[in-house]
Amino acid sequence: GDSVTQMEGPVTLSEEAFLTINCTYTATGYPSLFWYVQYPGEGLQLLLKATKADDKGSNKGFEATYRKETTSFHLEKGSVQVSDSAVYFCALSTSEGAQKLVFGQGTRLTINP
Amino acid sequence: EAGVAQSPRYKIIEKRQSVAFWCNPISGHATLYWYQQILGQGPKLLIQFQNNGVVDDSQLPKDRFSAERLKGVDSTLKIQPAKLEDSAVYLCASSLGGGRAGNEQFFGPGTRLTVL
Repeated sequence: GDSVTQMEGPVTLSEEAFLTINCTYTATGYPSLFWYVQYPGEGLQLLLKATKADDKGSNKGFEATYRKETTSFHLEKGSVQVSDSAVYFCALSTSEGAQKLVFGQGTRLTINP
Repeated sequence: EAGVAQSPRYKIIEKRQSVAFWCNPISGHATLYWYQQILGQGPKLLIQFQNNGVVDDSQLPKDRFSAERLKGVDSTLKIQPAKLEDSAVYLCASSLGGGRAGNEQFFGPGTRLTVL
């Protein structure tokens, strides 16, 4: 079945550091790919998405590129801030049928000032 | 625009008791989802409705879990009887539906259930 594997956490960085959170997937067909973020005390929010190969999703300085050849969707940010501390989830949804989201296990990110 | 509403936010029960959660999706959203998020894991889909019909309930433990979406709007998820392993956050989400690629799901704040 469809699955998503994320980089193990937790990840701790200093402010202004470069961030990469790895995400790879297994899916039949051509899924859409997402990064969701959960800030402390808040619900899940969509951070960015890509719906086809080579698409780049971007938002709030975060970027991720849909790489079909490596079945990956790694999240990157050039300079993180304390306010980026949160749990990040990579997810996919199938392009047909029920379009349910299949999530990775999440990566907790802590940014120290 | 109001978001997805859920209640209660927290619930503590003893095993073998029953519990119900309520969800009100964003107005006009045809598709409603219930996810279970166990601590340290990503959310897992329990059931998906399109209007008031079930699209996918393949991972719903039907011997103890039930869900309904009357009139295609609000939904309730029930657990009866609860087990210790049901302790989790129960998330409701909604989307416009329609089968478009990359359809965004909007999540509610969740209900944290603790089974003692």
